[in-house]
Amino acid sequence: DQQVKQNSPSLSVQEGRISILNCDYTNSMFDYFLWYKKYPAEGPTFLISISSIKDKNEDGRFTVFLNKSAKHLSLHIVPSQPGDSAVYFCAASGGSNYQLIWGAGTKLIIKP
Amino acid sequence: EAGVAQSPRYKIIEKRQSVAFWCNPISGHATLYWYQQILGQGPKLLIQFQNNGVVDDSQLPKDRFSAERLKGVDSTLKIQPAKLEDSAVYLCASRPSGRVDTQYFGPGTRLTVL
Repeated sequence: DQQVKQNSPSLSVQEGRISILNCDYTNSMFDYFLWYKKYPAEGPTFLISISSIKDKNEDGRFTVFLNKSAKHLSLHIVPSQPGDSAVYFCAASGGSNYQLIWGAGTKLIIKP
Repeated sequence: EAGVAQSPRYKIIEKRQSVAFWCNPISGHATLYWYQQILGQGPKLLIQFQNNGVVDDSQLPKDRFSAERLKGVDSTLKIQPAKLEDSAVYLCASRPSGRVDTQYFGPGTRLTVL
């Protein structure tokens, strides 16, 4: 039972344009959502997060949007840069142990 | 600040052999996690420690996997005996107390079981 789903295994975007990565979840008890970025042969690194009491969080070029009624969140990267090429994981948390449930990841390729 | 350290980075073994992975979390981080990441999937939690106590090991295959965290600092994950399906990247992460969000990951150990 996949509680966090990233339905696009890969996404290719032109440099300078907007990248939009999507994530859906099924568990309404999730109250915190995170995006991690992963380069090959490295561990995931935290990118941006959002609490369920908000619908938007922004950090520089990165913005995460949360639509609780649709159980959907998205990560927008504007403008996209070559260094953004990586695998992006969506993760959700709920409960006292703050454990993360992860999506399968989306590989973002930024074309020059 | 030094990051999460893991060793070895790569390991190749035959099925039915044993293997051990080591993790040194960021200094002062009370919570430590071991994840298994199979190619094309997201990380799956195997075990969570709070200091040197186990918080959750419900997804750890205890017939072959074991983990310990000595003195609430370093941790070791062992597989004995290994199966082909254990081929994966094993990630260690740590989290400071009071932070609900960020987990800091090591580079992982890529295990290949032949």
